[in-house]
Amino acid sequence: EADIYQTPRYLVIGTGKKITLECSQTMGHDKMYWYQQDPGMELHLIHYSYGVNSTEKGDLSSESTVSRIRTEHFPLTLESARPSHTSQYLCASSESEGDGYTFGSGTRLTVV
Amino acid sequence: GIQVEQSPPDLILQEGANSTLRCNFSDSVNNLQWFHQNPWGQLINLFYIPSGTKQNGRLSATTVATERYSLLYISSSQTTDSGVYFCAVIKWGSSNTGKLIFGQGTTLQVKP
Repeated sequence: EADIYQTPRYLVIGTGKKITLECSQTMGHDKMYWYQQDPGMELHLIHYSYGVNSTEKGDLSSESTVSRIRTEHFPLTLESARPSHTSQYLCASSESEGDGYTFGSGTRLTVV
Repeated sequence: GIQVEQSPPDLILQEGANSTLRCNFSDSVNNLQWFHQNPWGQLINLFYIPSGTKQNGRLSATTVATERYSLLYISSSQTTDSGVYFCAVIKWGSSNTGKLIFGQGTTLQVKP
């Protein structure tokens, strides 16, 4: 079944560590997105990609980086985690401008 | 950029009651989606509804694009309907092209 997968589901990590949040989709979608969401708040776009080797920063400034080497894979990396990075990170994909978005289950990150 | 406002911000219902959630947007949009975020943070797509009316079981949605609003109806509410309901829009041909913009959500609690 076509879907979008995020791992890990929960992550608790110490300050200064490097982490990579994984996002993969099996739908062959060209467009992929990362959103950040603090508890009880709205979602904010931090990165997006319209295809392989294409990445752009979103509306909310983020210290994270992304890569898009393969269509199905869109990982997000924090080189040095800080407590201010504690949040939920949600990955999404869409086939084209006119289609709806499909979201993964999210990664809830806590930096201590 | 485009503004998305949802009302009410919070809603408490007794099981079996009906409710209407509203989403207003500040400019014409090309696409609109309603999502339900469950207590575990997972974002579930309910409707992709740029215009018109759709129904799925106890849920239905109506978007009146010319008047810049959308409504989500929940009938015979159940405790499993609890969570946050988000409205999100996309506008093409602007700085927001291809990016889903979220409202602040309506937090629904259904009591048994």
